[in-house]
Amino acid sequence: DGGITQSPKYLFRKEGQNVTLSCEQNLNHDAMYWYRQDPGQGLRLIYYSQIVNDFQKGDIAEGYSVSREKKESFPLTVTSAQKNPTAFYLCASSKQVIETQYFGPGTRLLVL
Amino acid sequence: GENVEQHPSTLSVQEGDSAVIKCTYSDSASNYFPWYKQELGKRPQLIIDIRSNVGEKKDQRIAVTLNKTAKHFSLHITETQPEDSAVYFCAASVNTGGFKTIFGAGTRLFVKA
Repeated sequence: DGGITQSPKYLFRKEGQNVTLSCEQNLNHDAMYWYRQDPGQGLRLIYYSQIVNDFQKGDIAEGYSVSREKKESFPLTVTSAQKNPTAFYLCASSKQVIETQYFGPGTRLLVL
Repeated sequence: GENVEQHPSTLSVQEGDSAVIKCTYSDSASNYFPWYKQELGKRPQLIIDIRSNVGEKKDQRIAVTLNKTAKHFSLHITETQPEDSAVYFCAASVNTGGFKTIFGAGTRLFVKA
């Protein structure tokens, strides 16, 4: 399961606060992804990046932002505009898109 | 919008029996279909995948079949074991004019010893 890490494991957000979730990979993968998982539902794509300095919106990008300044890192910021942020957030990477994705251990975000 | 329907939502089998999970997708451009296994509190892990130019793929006790005409693909697990108990997700993906991937809602598989 090594190679892709996420931190923190749990994160608490106060109303009106922006919080940033970390995702790092040492697999030399070009593509990285952020997903949101809600109870009883499948994963939904928030953002993805095919290459450094490039990223694209997924299906539920509103209220989230990302950056891809380094190949190894793809942080996700949950902004105050995201009104229902409580969920399990999963980061993944793959050599290229449409190839096997490897997931991180996830960050559970809770609202105080 | 595009969607993937996955059935059943819960499946209970006796150890040694087979389990079949079915998914139907709506985007005919989809060309990559992975299956993930997620144990409680853990990350999803790919167990098998299939591309649109192949009708069937097998890896030991696990197989996936794809019917492009019907936009339907299925996961087959034979000789089930208690450690197969988990939630299984299917997905349909495409990278034409931008990457898109839609996941099914998941199937919770219980294998009774």
